[in-house]
Amino acid sequence: AQSVSQHNHHVILSEAASLELGCNYSYGGTVNLFWYVQYPGQHLQLLLKYFSGDPLVKGIKGFEAEFIKSKFSFNLRKPSVQWSDTAEYFCGSLASGTYKYIFGTGTRLKVLA
Amino acid sequence: GAGVSQSPSNKVTEKGKDVELRCDPISGHTALYWYRQSLGQGLEFLIYFQGNSAPDKSGLPSDRFSAERTGGSVSTLTIQRTQQEDSAVYLCASQRAGVSDTQYFGPGTRLTVL
Repeated sequence: AQSVSQHNHHVILSEAASLELGCNYSYGGTVNLFWYVQYPGQHLQLLLKYFSGDPLVKGIKGFEAEFIKSKFSFNLRKPSVQWSDTAEYFCGSLASGTYKYIFGTGTRLKVLA
Repeated sequence: GAGVSQSPSNKVTEKGKDVELRCDPISGHTALYWYRQSLGQGLEFLIYFQGNSAPDKSGLPSDRFSAERTGGSVSTLTIQRTQQEDSAVYLCASQRAGVSDTQYFGPGTRLTVL
């Protein structure tokens, strides 16, 4: 069965600090991977996604994620966070050929101005 | 254009009552999902519709939960005989066509069962 683990539940950073949020999935086959973000008072929205090809995926607002198959990981990174990045971040997976999305428990990021 | 809308935004009900939650997807989106987000939990997949059909209902937590979609558009999630553990935020998302398309989420319905 698929599962997604996000190890950091709460992260507090100062502006300009670098960010890396961990995400590990468990599935032996081909997966599609996603990061969604929920800003305060807003709907969940797609940040970036990986289907195939270049394992380094770039998303909106300067975020990127790297798919490392050998580590079953899809960590989210940003070199320099801003106060406006304060949000909850969800990692998700979709096993190829299925429709059942599996999401992690989320990471709440707070960026201090 | 308009995004995914859900109603009501908040629902407080007494244990044992039935509730109906509504989702209006983006016009033309054929795929629709329901999720549940409980405190400290991730998004839990409940059900997926392609058109009016739900190929797999196994994500529904119990037989008190049911969902339908009509006209390839509006979907309702019904919870019968609500229990306190049903308290959560219920999210709906729609996709243009295939399961790999971007999911567009609604604002959710916060259900509180007293």
